[in-house]
Amino acid sequence: GENVEQHPSTLSVQEGDSAVIKCTYSDSASNYFPWYKQELGKGPQLIIDIRSNVGEKKDQRIAVTLNKTAKHFSLHITETQPEDSAVYFCAGITNFGNEKLTFGTGTRLTIIP
Amino acid sequence: DTAVSQTPKYLVTQMGNDKSIKCEQNLGHDTMYWYKQDSKKFLKIMFSYNNKELIINETVPNRFSPKSPDKAHLNLHINSLELGDSAVYFCASSPGTFGSEQFFGPGTRLTVL
Repeated sequence: GENVEQHPSTLSVQEGDSAVIKCTYSDSASNYFPWYKQELGKGPQLIIDIRSNVGEKKDQRIAVTLNKTAKHFSLHITETQPEDSAVYFCAGITNFGNEKLTFGTGTRLTIIP
Repeated sequence: DTAVSQTPKYLVTQMGNDKSIKCEQNLGHDTMYWYKQDSKKFLKIMFSYNNKELIINETVPNRFSPKSPDKAHLNLHINSLELGDSAVYFCASSPGTFGSEQFFGPGTRLTVL
């Protein structure tokens, strides 16, 4: 089955700087890659996603890039703000038709004021 | 206004007991899920139902039994609780179409003593 690896496990950046989180996946047939943000005491929430027919997608301060050849995708957050502090999960779809997401191990992002 | 709700939010119980967690979604989605998040924040799917039919059943002990009385509800019953069952359990729902956003509930923190 699909295996998704995520790095780093923790990341601290100064407010206003950029943050980058990277993920690799094993199943070359996977073609949908969402990113979820989990704030303390809450459930994960989708922040951005990308499909394999697109190399990059941007939504305000958040962007995701996908390299299908290398089987990796990254989350970029620019102009970080304190409310960006959370745990971020990448994920990949495997077992098409059954919508089974395989999540990465998570990155705890801390924004230093 | 709550999209995906779970009860209870906290559950503390003794080893060997049987307990249930309830989940309801008011989004009109066809697919519902149960996820387990352990102390290291690893998020792993347990079950998925589409229109009350079980479509994903990961290698979960048969002490865990999901039940979907209708499309809007997916409950999780756990028999003979063990220490290792301590975790946060998340219910989620999605429209069920490929690559659609999953909406997570607030989670139920289960502690087995």
